[in-house]
Amino acid sequence: EVQLLESGGGLVQPGGSLRLSCVVSGFTFNNYAMNWVRQAPGKGLDWVSVISGSGGNTYYAASVKGRFTISRDNSKNTVYLQMNSLRAEDTAVYYCAKSRRYVAEFFDYWGQGTLVTVSS
Amino acid sequence: EIVLTQSPGTLSLSPGERATLSCRASQSISNNYLAWYQHKPGQAPRLLIYDASIRATGVPDRFSGSGSGTDFTLTISRLEPEDFVVYYCHHYGSTPKFGQGTKVEIK
Repeated sequence: EVQLLESGGGLVQPGGSLRLSCVVSGFTFNNYAMNWVRQAPGKGLDWVSVISGSGGNTYYAASVKGRFTISRDNSKNTVYLQMNSLRAEDTAVYYCAKSRRYVAEFFDYWGQGTLVTVSS
Repeated sequence: EIVLTQSPGTLSLSPGERATLSCRASQSISNNYLAWYQHKPGQAPRLLIYDASIRATGVPDRFSGSGSGTDFTLTISRLEPEDFVVYYCHHYGSTPKFGQGTKVEIK
């Protein structure tokens, strides 16, 4: 059974940093691209970032480029999202999502999300 | 950059009725790279349809997808009580984009 479990969310002040983690099981992790998608309160889904299976390719939404960094540790079946210079508009539930195989594909499994609140 | 517009924003129907949800793209989507997800509050989104019309594993056959180019449709043939939630379309191209969602509510 495929499982994705996010952690690391919480309350952080504007300008602060936070690192999210997503531990997966049930599939050969290094064969699949992984994504972060967020949902602000009362809003829809918003893609944030993707990393290829090897970790060699990463892509970001314009709204987070230069502030967020996606990475993965294939020995730990874990994908990370390092979030720096956080803003109030980054407040959201952050989901990790598995790509069908490669970077520009649909998301066939999702985690239940972790809440990030940016507020003073 | 492609913009996806879903309509209606809210669809009020009764159990057993047919639901038709629309997703319109600002420019043509190549290879029909369009997916639909179901999202229940507090849960992980669930893949329903990919490549515009292919049902994902385990998805009931009352869910179907159609369309090409700029106009896509998710149809739920007979609404079950658990279907009254939010649905999103998603273009999985170089810059993934989601529609703003359609909420299906009980009339």
